[in-house]
Amino acid sequence: EILMTQSPATLSVSPGERATLSCRASQSVSSKLAWYQQKPGQAPRLLIYGSSTRATSVPARFSGSGSGTEFTLTISSLQSEDFAVYLCQQYSHWPVTFGPGTKVDI
Amino acid sequence: QLQLLESGPGLVKPSETLSLTCTVSGGSISGSSYYWGWLRQPPGKALEWIGSIYYRGSTYYTPSLESRVTISVDTSKNQFSLRLSSVTAADTAIYFCARVTYGETYYFDYWGQGTRVTVSS
Repeated sequence: EILMTQSPATLSVSPGERATLSCRASQSVSSKLAWYQQKPGQAPRLLIYGSSTRATSVPARFSGSGSGTEFTLTISSLQSEDFAVYLCQQYSHWPVTFGPGTKVDI
Repeated sequence: QLQLLESGPGLVKPSETLSLTCTVSGGSISGSSYYWGWLRQPPGKALEWIGSIYYRGSTYYTPSLESRVTISVDTSKNQFSLRLSSVTAADTAIYFCARVTYGETYYFDYWGQGTRVTVSS
């Protein structure tokens, strides 16, 4: 089973600032990585798949990059609605696995 | 707009069977490009994929739960269901149903709101 880790556990930023979140896989997952946003009491929302492809209706301030074992989610200018937990998920190896999340707070 | 809604008991006794149903609206569960999955999120822990089903009935389960899990589908009702047997406190979690886009990909693009299940006597 592929182990996904995320850093930092918590990222404190101010509105308008740039946020950079990291996700690491225990072995190569190629570009088969997705990112989700989860707000308290809500289901995850798909943001990015294929490491860098934005899902439908996802604002351009969200961008993903990376391949192999190292991935990055960048939020170029944080809006108030972006404060949430961000999860990564690999789908290269069976079973699919998720990271523990990075909380982005004010 | 596709919507998914989980339903089922919020409290299950240890050693009993957890049963949940996901009702899909705004689209057909019989679409050929998608699987339908169950996931869970224990308190303070990472999200875990439990298993998925195709509308024709083929299933895939995560190995750690495979011996206790059954996922079934009822296309006439546009629903799919989860049964998890012999539950313990470790099965306490928020359970989500989701649509799976598969092929070269395997991600979850539509989700239910989640339902909290507590295992306790």
